[in-house]
Amino acid sequence: KAGVTQTPRYLIKTRGQQVTLSCSPISGHRSVSWYQQTPGQGLQFLFEYFSETQRNKGNFPGRFSGRQFSNSRSEMNVSTLELGDSALYLCASSSGTGRETQYFGPGTRLLVL
Amino acid sequence: TQLLEQSPQFLSIQEGENLTVYCNSSSVFSSLQWYRQEPGEGPVLLVTVVTGGEVKKLKRLTFQFGDARKDSSLHITAAQPGDTGLYLCAGPHGSGNTGKLIFGQGTTLQVKP
Repeated sequence: KAGVTQTPRYLIKTRGQQVTLSCSPISGHRSVSWYQQTPGQGLQFLFEYFSETQRNKGNFPGRFSGRQFSNSRSEMNVSTLELGDSALYLCASSSGTGRETQYFGPGTRLLVL
Repeated sequence: TQLLEQSPQFLSIQEGENLTVYCNSSSVFSSLQWYRQEPGEGPVLLVTVVTGGEVKKLKRLTFQFGDARKDSSLHITAAQPGDTGLYLCAGPHGSGNTGKLIFGQGTTLQVKP
């Protein structure tokens, strides 16, 4: 079974631009969660999508948004990028029906200049 | 607010030594998970502990869940250079039926040959 894939793996943007990251979950998984990882804050939850609906949301500003498609693939978008948005963005997938394991993708490394 | 505190934050040891990493909280968690992350990659699940007092072994790694389900520990026996990485504990937010995980800050382990 293929694992969670994320594209692109690396991205360089400048302040004020916007960016879209993509996540393809493990086949059959309906839940996709997004996390931001930085050296100072560690791993912080952004949001979770289940069956195309946002089911849970972390404490991030509205510049961070996401969506999920009918095939469970998910995208997250960050508008008006700030230097502090530089981070590793991770997505994780699970079946979403209980307290099951989340499987993480390799992440997208975003650098904002 | 559910928080997980890990200690120590950094650990540098010689090959063959033993070590223990701690993950503590003032909140009760329905389960706790331990992940290992290597640079540029996503976290990989090592184990999930569910029952208070539970002990699980994975080769040279021993995981324990506290009786009150507020803390956990990871013990590595005879550490090897291949054990080098970032170790993260995580627990599900709230009742655990959503895809939101709370992460500890992580323990960076370096095992020198």
